[in-house]
Amino acid sequence: NAGVTQTPKFRVLKTGQSMTLLCAQDMNHEYMYWYRQDPGMGLRLIHYSVGEGTTAKGEVPDGYNVSRLKKQNFLLGLESAAPSQTSVYFCASRPHGGVGANVLTFGAGSRLTVL
Amino acid sequence: TQLLEQSPQFLSIQEGENLTVYCNSSSVFSSLQWYRQEPGEGPVLLVTVVTGGEVKKLKRLTFQFGDARKDSSLHITAAQPGDTGLYLCAGAIRYNQGGKLIFGQGTELSVKP
Repeated sequence: NAGVTQTPKFRVLKTGQSMTLLCAQDMNHEYMYWYRQDPGMGLRLIHYSVGEGTTAKGEVPDGYNVSRLKKQNFLLGLESAAPSQTSVYFCASRPHGGVGANVLTFGAGSRLTVL
Repeated sequence: TQLLEQSPQFLSIQEGENLTVYCNSSSVFSSLQWYRQEPGEGPVLLVTVVTGGEVKKLKRLTFQFGDARKDSSLHITAAQPGDTGLYLCAGAIRYNQGGKLIFGQGTELSVKP
């Protein structure tokens, strides 16, 4: 049982380049989230999804787009990367209800550097 | 904007010492969680507290939820080097759309042998 898998783990981009981070979960969770983590700022929510085909903006959505075409996958895209987007990105998922409904399962993170 | 203030941000102590980390907000939470994160990994849930005044123990870790469900604390007794890591509190707002959690800034704990 892999849980939440993020790819790639590391990436270096030049300003203006585009890229996509992939998150895959095998727990049949309805909800999926993308966070960014910066020193001293905890985890900030970028975008989230409450089910296949749905997405919504979080706390810091500017400069990012997401898609959830399949329930198990949640993609985070950067169309034109900026140095301010240098960060560690975490994907998380959780079930809709039942025991552990508010408990997030996180991936191992994707470290992105924008030069 | 709901804020969750976590303190202290950094803590460096010797093995065997006790410590307390605080998480405070002006918002009421339906539940509050504590996560621990090690370098190069994602956060992992330690505990969830739901009821105001609730106290939960996990070996040498004691978690308390405030009576008004606006604050929480994590107390570690006789800290060990293996406790080193980033501790995050996260609050769930009742009826919050998408079940979003509000995270504190984190406490970086270093326990020296």
